[in-house]
Amino acid sequence: SQTIHQWPATLVQPVGSPLSLECTVEGTSNPNLYWYRQAAGRGLQLLFYSVGIGQISSEVPQNLSASRPQDRQFILSSKKLLLSDSGFYLCAWSGVAQYFGPGTRLTVL
Amino acid sequence: AQSVTQLDSQVPVFEEAPVELRCNYSSSVSVYLFWYVQYPNQGLQLLLKYLSGSTLVKGINGFEAEFNKSQTSFHLRKPSVHISDTAEYFCAVLPLIKAAGNKLTFGGGTRVLVKP
Repeated sequence: SQTIHQWPATLVQPVGSPLSLECTVEGTSNPNLYWYRQAAGRGLQLLFYSVGIGQISSEVPQNLSASRPQDRQFILSSKKLLLSDSGFYLCAWSGVAQYFGPGTRLTVL
Repeated sequence: AQSVTQLDSQVPVFEEAPVELRCNYSSSVSVYLFWYVQYPNQGLQLLLKYLSGSTLVKGINGFEAEFNKSQTSFHLRKPSVHISDTAEYFCAVLPLIKAAGNKLTFGGGTRVLVKP
């Protein structure tokens, strides 16, 4: 069966510091991968998706970037965090439905 | 393009009472439909999906949803809720026609608060 992992689970970072969040999927090959953000009290915002290694599509211009160095690995990064980057970050992979990881709670202070 | 409207942002309900969460969508093409549940500080979990066939779909945890094509709706129901059903629920659609990324369109979510 397929599983999806995200780490870290929680993160507190100062403004201006770098960020790296990692997502890995097991039990499937060549999945579509997605990064979402949930700001406090708001819905889901799609940030990036990837249909293959090295292929990244950005949905919104922002302070973040994504990379897919391996088939089942998806990384979300930032060089300098902003206060507005705080939120709950979710990774997902898709068959027909999308299946989500447990999320990373990021607080930027 | 697709859009999804969840008509209720919050639904308070007493334990053991029934609940219905409303979802309407707009799309120029046929879609697959999904309901997800998100418990506090967790990721989204797939409750059920409609791909084809019977318009009444049964999911996990006693939930079911009915697809109504003429009304472009996909309402979620549970006949008797438990305290543990307190969560946020998201409706989502995916167009049948393959598009770049196979991206879901989500509704804004409905918070269900089950009271004892």
